[in-house]
Amino acid sequence: DIQMTQSPSSLSASVGDRVTITCQASQDISNYLNWYQQKPGKAPKLLIYDASNLETGVPSRFSGSGSGTDFTFTISSLQPEDIATYYCQQYDNLPTFGQGTKLEIK
Amino acid sequence: QVQLVQSGAEVKKPGSSVKVSCKASGGTFSSYAISWVRQAPGQGLEWMGGIIPIFGTANYAQKFQGRVTITADESTSTAYMELSSLRSEDTAVYYCARTRITMVQGVITSYNWFDPWGQGTLVTVSS
Repeated sequence: DIQMTQSPSSLSASVGDRVTITCQASQDISNYLNWYQQKPGKAPKLLIYDASNLETGVPSRFSGSGSGTDFTFTISSLQPEDIATYYCQQYDNLPTFGQGTKLEIK
Repeated sequence: QVQLVQSGAEVKKPGSSVKVSCKASGGTFSSYAISWVRQAPGQGLEWMGGIIPIFGTANYAQKFQGRVTITADESTSTAYMELSSLRSEDTAVYYCARTRITMVQGVITSYNWFDPWGQGTLVTVSS
């Protein structure tokens, strides 16, 4: 299985801050990388697919970049409603997820 | 707009089986894949397997091979996930999700991304 390592595992930031989460794959996965947002008690929601494509309806403050083994997810200006856990997921092989990054408001 | 509605919470004894359903509305059920992803309490997400109803053949994560069976009934637009030989570590929320796939010559070569998801079904395994 391809291992996905996210960092940090938790993050505290202020409203308006720029927030960055990284995800590293254990082998080259090209751009086969997606990002999800999960709010407490809710199902995950797809935000970004194929590393950098914004899902329809997702605010433009969310973005993704990277290829190969190293990927970045960015929120350009943190909003209170962005409090959630974020997961990366690869699909170069059978799907696997990162362990998640819990984002809190400072 | 595809919506997925799952069956209700279950409490099971160790060694027993559980079958969770996922009913789709909107879209054409047979034309897209359905995956099952689970989340243990306070833990991350784990893909268990998937199926494309029009073909009926499922793929499974190696960890669950031999214990999980994913099926689909086109007549009712419902997918099912059955997990057997339950143990306490199987206590989790189980989600179904429509899955974007890649196919080559009729064979699923990748399960790409998951959207939308069902609301989740809590399965508790306890003696």
